[in-house]
Amino acid sequence: DAGITQSPRHKVTETGTPVTLRCHQTENHRYMYWYRQDPGHGLRLIHYSYGVKDTDKGEVSDGYSVSRSKTEDFLLTLESATSSQTSVYFCAISGGTENTGELFFGEGSRLTVL
Amino acid sequence: AQSVTQLGSHVSVSEGALVLLRCNYSSSVPPYLFWYVQYPNQGLQLLLKYTSAATLVKGINGFEAEFKKSETSFHLTKPSAHMSDAAEYFCAVTSSSGNTPLVFGKGTRLSVIA
Repeated sequence: DAGITQSPRHKVTETGTPVTLRCHQTENHRYMYWYRQDPGHGLRLIHYSYGVKDTDKGEVSDGYSVSRSKTEDFLLTLESATSSQTSVYFCAISGGTENTGELFFGEGSRLTVL
Repeated sequence: AQSVTQLGSHVSVSEGALVLLRCNYSSSVPPYLFWYVQYPNQGLQLLLKYTSAATLVKGINGFEAEFKKSETSFHLTKPSAHMSDAAEYFCAVTSSSGNTPLVFGKGTRLSVIA
């Protein structure tokens, strides 16, 4: 299994509070991604990174920011959480020696915003 | 832009019957295509991938898919369903450069009836 760790795995928070989710990889892959999964929507890309300090927006980036100061860590921040951000968040990586675009996923972080 | 359409949000089959999950893609460049499986409360696991070699691709757990350019399809099949196949299945597309994020379909939940 790819070495991807997400933390926290579960979090309950209140509307308006900041939240940071962490993704840590031990594979030295270049690309890292944050997706959210919601019933009826599949997985939608929030942000991704193609290198340290290099990030770009995805399909549903409003209300989210990211940072990547080291190859192994990719942080997703909700500056002021809203109920619409209740979701399961998946981190993924790609870009190993055989880069076919295949993603390797973490186990997910379930966020509930009350 | 790339997109994926999965026909049928829920498919139900009897144990031992043929499994057919449909995926059509749209891409302005040669695509790479993937099928992922997600078991309850887990991350996504790669089933198989098409990366412009053989058009018939075999994956894990007896699944296979055929890339048909003329039909822009990449349907997933398995000759005989097993109870353990019950899960959600996602089709995804990226460009053949492998450097653009995967775009996922909305998923198909497969139920297997004894």
